[in-house]
Amino acid sequence: SQTIHQWPATLVQPVGSPLSLECTVEGTSNPNLYWYRQAAGRGLQLLFYSVGIGQISSEVPQNLSASRPQDRQFILSSKKLLLSDSGFYLCAYDRGLNQPQHFGDGTRLSIL
Amino acid sequence: AQSVTQLGSHVSVSEGALVLLRCNYSSSVPPYLFWYVQYPNQGLQLLLKYTTGATLVKGINGFEAEFKKSETSFHLTKPSAHMSDAAEYFCAVRNRVSGGYQKVTFGTGTKLQVIP
Repeated sequence: SQTIHQWPATLVQPVGSPLSLECTVEGTSNPNLYWYRQAAGRGLQLLFYSVGIGQISSEVPQNLSASRPQDRQFILSSKKLLLSDSGFYLCAYDRGLNQPQHFGDGTRLSIL
Repeated sequence: AQSVTQLGSHVSVSEGALVLLRCNYSSSVPPYLFWYVQYPNQGLQLLLKYTTGATLVKGINGFEAEFKKSETSFHLTKPSAHMSDAAEYFCAVRNRVSGGYQKVTFGTGTKLQVIP
């Protein structure tokens, strides 16, 4: 069976510090991978998606970047966090355009 | 371009009453449609999906949804609400276009409150 792991579950970081959130998928190969941000009371905002190793597409200009060093690993990073980077970050994958996305348990990021 | 509208950011129902969460979409072609549920501080969990075939789709936890092309709707229903159904529900759409990548568009969500 397929599973998706995302960590850490919660993170408190000072403004200006770096960030690295990791997501891995098990049980499938060549998945499409996604990073979303969910602000309180708002829907999901797609940040990045990847259809293959080293292929990253950014949906919105921002203080964040993403990388896919391995087929089933997706990393969200920042060199210097801003207060506006606070939120609930979700990693997801799917196996094709007619397939649903499957989500990790999310990371609650608080910037102080 | 595709879009999703969920009517009502908050819906309250009594325990045992019918649950109806509305979703309308805009798409140039009949899309793939999905409903997800999210409990506090958790990721989204797939409830059901429509890709092709029968327009009435049954999902987990007793939920079902009907794809109505003429109304561009995909409303989510459950005959009898349970306290454990209290959560936020998201409708999502993806265009079915051959070739290239098509992203998923999510609605803004509907929070369901179940009153005992």
